[in-house]
Amino acid sequence: AQKVTQAQTEISVVEKEDVTLDCVYETRDTTYYLFWYKQPPSGELVFLIRRNSFDEQNEISGRYSWNFQKSTSSFNFTITASQVVDSAVYFCALSEAGSGAGSYQLTFGKGTKLSVIP
Amino acid sequence: EAGVAQSPRYKIIEKRQSVAFWCNPISGHATLYWYQQILGQGPKLLIQFQNNGVVDDSQLPKDRFSAERLKGVDSTLKIQPAKLEDSAVYLCASSLEDRVYEQYFGPGTRLTVT
Repeated sequence: AQKVTQAQTEISVVEKEDVTLDCVYETRDTTYYLFWYKQPPSGELVFLIRRNSFDEQNEISGRYSWNFQKSTSSFNFTITASQVVDSAVYFCALSEAGSGAGSYQLTFGKGTKLSVIP
Repeated sequence: EAGVAQSPRYKIIEKRQSVAFWCNPISGHATLYWYQQILGQGPKLLIQFQNNGVVDDSQLPKDRFSAERLKGVDSTLKIQPAKLEDSAVYLCASSLEDRVYEQYFGPGTRLTVT
């Protein structure tokens, strides 16, 4: 069974500080996908990134960066120089490619609420 | 490009009543998903459609929940009768048939059962 753990329930940082959101996953599949989504107060889930299990390269997109380490089953998300607009709930999610019959069930963690204080 | 549309945005009902939610996916997206997000938790998949066929409904409480996507576009999710524990946000998402891993979510419907 697949499982995603986001141990940090809430984090508060002062604007311009860097912050890292942790994500640890469990899966028996060798082929899987990892995701990060942002959920602002408006409620919509906004797709941020997808990585497949065969690509351990770290990725940077502007102030966002992701560190994928299969050895520790972690997929951490860092925001550099945080801004007030980054305040949201961030979800890490996992999808096993072998879910069967085209099912692409996303298993989400419980989320980390990030508050960036001006 | 218009996003995933959902209505209503908010709904308050009493337990044992019925309720229905509507979702209109992004144009051209063959795959549609309904998720339930209970306060303080991540979304949980209820059902996945590919066009008008069900791909996965393993976590749908079929004794009270039903969903349909008759023409392969819009979808409705119904709860009958509602229980207190059904209070949650119901999210609809859609994706292209060949990019099912890239799901786009609607704003959700917040249901409160009293």
